[in-house]
Amino acid sequence: DAKTTQPNSMESNEEEPVHLPCNHSTISGTDYIHWYRQLPSQGPEYVIHGLTSNVNNRMASLAIAEDRKSSTLILHRATLRDAAVYYCILRDFNSGGSNYKLTFGKGTLLTVNP
Amino acid sequence: DAGVIQSPRHEVTEMGQEVTLRCKPISGHNSLFWYRQTMMRGLELLIYFNNNVPIDDSGMPEDRFSAKMPNASFSTLKIQPSEPRDSAVYFCASSQTRDRGIYGYTFGSGTRLTVV
Repeated sequence: DAKTTQPNSMESNEEEPVHLPCNHSTISGTDYIHWYRQLPSQGPEYVIHGLTSNVNNRMASLAIAEDRKSSTLILHRATLRDAAVYYCILRDFNSGGSNYKLTFGKGTLLTVNP
Repeated sequence: DAGVIQSPRHEVTEMGQEVTLRCKPISGHNSLFWYRQTMMRGLELLIYFNNNVPIDDSGMPEDRFSAKMPNASFSTLKIQPSEPRDSAVYFCASSQTRDRGIYGYTFGSGTRLTVV
């Protein structure tokens, strides 16, 4: 699997935007970029995914660099409930049944200050 | 939809005992994944099933671990005999997967296992 690099931790203030970066310089043309987050004492939850174009949903936005070697998860107004570990994961959509798995790295621990 | 249901939520057992963790995936999802999370090693994929068939069990630590999926609505992860180093949170996740299809995983709330 292509590797991603994320900062170990970031801090933000409540109601301010947060930009969580992810580097994936070895991304292949068939890799989707997935983001998951894990709130304290809970299982991970899906946030968003994208391939080439920027994506928006009710939780966040995903900005993908033109060369796809990096991406940024954007939380438009952080709340205390957004404090979590955020994981950036690549998964090849073209690999068929042998590779439906997601491999989690260490992620970024986001702290939100009131 | 009740989501992915895991039981028990907490399990404390003595070393050497058999432990069985249970998972009910979301109806209609055809893939099921077992993960283990510890502070030292983070989230590790143990095994996953597609259409009830084990596809990749390379993450299963050793022969003491086994997993089954007898039907589309139930899976078990068994540890026999259990050891203190098996203490961790075990997560089950399910997803709808298709070739060239991308769908998110839904995780359960996990089972916190403590082996003393």
